[in-house]
Amino acid sequence: NAGVTQTPKFQVLKTGQSMTLQCAQDMNHNSMYWYRQDPGMGLRLIYYSASEGTTDKGEVPNGYNVSRLNKREFSLRLESAAPSQTSVYFCASSEMTLNTEAFFGQGTRLTVV
Amino acid sequence: GQQLNQSPQSMFIQEGEDVSMNCTSSSIFNTWLWYKQDPGEGPVLLIALYKAGELTSNGRLTAQFGITRKDSFLNISASIPSDVGIYFCAGYNSGGSNYKLTFGKGTLLTVNP
Repeated sequence: NAGVTQTPKFQVLKTGQSMTLQCAQDMNHNSMYWYRQDPGMGLRLIYYSASEGTTDKGEVPNGYNVSRLNKREFSLRLESAAPSQTSVYFCASSEMTLNTEAFFGQGTRLTVV
Repeated sequence: GQQLNQSPQSMFIQEGEDVSMNCTSSSIFNTWLWYKQDPGEGPVLLIALYKAGELTSNGRLTAQFGITRKDSFLNISASIPSDVGIYFCAGYNSGGSNYKLTFGKGTLLTVNP
């Protein structure tokens, strides 16, 4: 069972470059999330998609955009990367309508230099 | 926004000891989740709690959903070295259109063999 798959696992960007982090889930979940994890800060929600066709801002959305491409896929885009966006990014999904348990991918470690 | 206070921030214990950590919230939650994160991995769900007062066990782990719906605790009995990791609480409130999970900042557990 693949669960939640994130690509890439590691990435180094120069300041000002753009990139898209990809996330796909094979559990037929309705809701998907993007979090960032920084030392001592826990997991902070960037954007989420409660269901296919909807997206909403989380706690720290500035500098990011998202696309819920279909029920399986939810991508996170950095249009102009900044050093402050150096972090570990996690995608998660949950069934949500009956079951709120969220399952996480293995993370993308992004460094912006 | 909703705030989750997780304590302690870190714990250093001897193998065989019991561990207790807790989360408190400024808001009411409908669901409490407890996760464990190993180094370099995504968080993995340990226990889910859906009802105020609920007490649930998963092996050596026991978690409770506080009666006020604003707190939860996680106990680990007879700790072993593989319990090392970061433990996160997460709360979910289904009121209105708020579908997002809010995470605590984590408790770093170190177990000395």
